Amino acid sequence: EAQVTQNPRYLITVTGKKLTVTCSQNMNHEYMSWYRQDPGLGLRQIYYSMNVEVTDKGDVPEGYKVSRKEKRNFPLILESPSPNQTSLYFCASSPGSAREQYFGPGTRLTVT
Amino acid sequence: QQPVQSPQAVILREGEDAVINCSSSKALYSVHWYRQKHGEAPVFLMILLKGGEQKGHDKISASFNEKKQQSSLYLTASQLSYSGTYFCGTEMGYGNKLVFGAGTILRVKS
Repeated sequence: EAQVTQNPRYLITVTGKKLTVTCSQNMNHEYMSWYRQDPGLGLRQIYYSMNVEVTDKGDVPEGYKVSRKEKRNFPLILESPSPNQTSLYFCASSPGSAREQYFGPGTRLTVT
Repeated sequence: QQPVQSPQAVILREGEDAVINCSSSKALYSVHWYRQKHGEAPVFLMILLKGGEQKGHDKISASFNEKKQQSSLYLTASQLSYSGTYFCGTEMGYGNKLVFGAGTILRVKS
């Protein structure tokens, strides 16, 4: 089954404790992206990747890191999480820019 | 730079029509439309590229006015399953970041 998977689905952590949210897709898509969703603000793009080893900043990249060493994986790293990073995070993949995006199920992160 | 969606929310009865608008202050390369149901991930509806084309499937269609940097999503003969939050997303060029609007909440009542 074609899908985007994210892990973990739920995470409660403390300020400053480094964490990684994994994202994997099995559709051989070149384009992958991370979004955060907060009430009233819609989906905001954090980082995106057009291909392996190619990443670009989205609208809200501060406090986040990404890497794209393999086509199928695009992990999101929070090196020192803060409470304002409490949010619902979605990973998405796409055949390319300006193409349909397939979203993962989401990761709800709470930073206390 | 975030596109502006209107209205913010709309309530319909089954069978009624709705239009959701998406406006940008900058020239657009593409406009994406997604629908998100409560507690679920967004689901792709359609993409329009600059050129003023119109797309549609079933009773949902969209237009893109490149000169006005506007797109509209048309839902005709609405069904209960159309309820959800609709997001438009815009790109200024190929390979540019995708910026979503704040969303339009659509509720269809029986």
